[in-house]
Order: sequence, then structure tokens, then C-alpha cells
Amino acid sequence: AQRVTQPEKLLSVFKGAPVELKCNYSYSGSPELFWYVQYSRQRLQLLLRHISRESIKGFTADLNKGETSFHLKKPFAQEEDSAMYYCALSGSSNTGKLIFGQGTTLQVKP
Amino acid sequence: GAGVSQSPSNKVTEKGKDVELRCDPISGHTALYWYRQRLGQGLEFLIYFQGNSAPDKSGLPSDRFSAERTGESVSTLTIQRTQQEDSAVYLCASSLYTGNTEAFFGQGTRLTVV
Repeated sequence: AQRVTQPEKLLSVFKGAPVELKCNYSYSGSPELFWYVQYSRQRLQLLLRHISRESIKGFTADLNKGETSFHLKKPFAQEEDSAMYYCALSGSSNTGKLIFGQGTTLQVKP
Repeated sequence: GAGVSQSPSNKVTEKGKDVELRCDPISGHTALYWYRQRLGQGLEFLIYFQGNSAPDKSGLPSDRFSAERTGESVSTLTIQRTQQEDSAVYLCASSLYTGNTEAFFGQGTRLTVV
């Protein structure tokens, strides 16, 4: 079965501290992985996708097929990073249908 | 409009009534998706449209739920005989074409069944 697991509901860090939001997935084929973000009172938007292999707003995520993980990392958290983060998986059916994790709220304290 | 638009933003309805939720995707986007988000949970896929056809309806929770899309544009999600467990935020997303491209989300419709 296709499944995305985000083990932490809430992650609270101080400004300037490193951040790692965990994401593990279960999928038998070759999935595409995404991180979506929802800032307060804004709509859900794409943060990054693993095939792009780029850094967005200082965030990076590496797909580890051996560990079936796609953790989101940032070396120095900023207050404006406070938001809800969702990890999502798209399978090989090529429909664009996304399977989401339950989300992690990141709280960056001053 | 510049983005995906959903209406209404909020809807309170009595148990047993029917409701219609509307989604206006970004112009030219051929793929359209409906998701549901219950309180404290992640987004659950409901249905996907490619043009006006729905090749994947696997996420619709029961036959009380239906959706259609016309003119390769507007989509409506209809819930008949609403139940309290239908209370959730219903999100619509569109993408330029199917496959693993960026999905653009609407602001959602918060449905409360009392």
C-alpha cells in the first residue's frame, strides 16, 4: 500500500537552530516525492520536489530509497519558516494524484 | 483569476441536506483534483479529472459523493444526505497536465455538518 508517514505532529525550534522534518514512505515502485507548505492563512503550495534537486528558501530534501525517507532539512531556521509542512508521494500511475502525510507543524521561536 | 478559486469558503449545513462545492481551476489546466482534510489529519485524495473525464474516483468515500467537470473548467463536488463525518475542509487543486507536475491548490471550502 502507498503510505506517507510524518512521525512528528509538532516540531518546535529556536531561530537559528537546524531543522529536520521527517518523512518516510511506503511504495513498491519509483515514487516522486514532494514537500508542500501552508503558511498561516495561505493556501497549500509546493515547496520542493525531489527530481528538482534544488534548495528552496534554504530547505533541501534528499530521497533515500534504502531508508524510504525524504526528510526536509534547513541548517538555520527562521521565524518565517513557521508553517505546516506536508510530505507527499506521487506514484507511477502518472495521474498526478498525491498521497499526503499527516503534516508537521514547524514552530520557530525567536 | 490568478489561482484556483473555491466557493463557498465556508458552509454550514444540517445533517441530511445536500451540498455543492465549486472549484474554478487555473485557466488551461487540464488536470483537476479534489482532496478532503479532516481535522488533525492529512489530505485524502477523492477524485481526479483529466479534461471532463474522471479516470480515478477511487477516493470517493461513498455513493453519496459525486463530482463532475464541464468545459474542461469548473468542477462541482456534490455530497448528498450529509453526515457529521463529512465535516472537513475540501480542497481542489489543478495542474497543467497529468503526471508529476506542480499542483496548485485552492483555499478550500470548510464544510460543517450540524
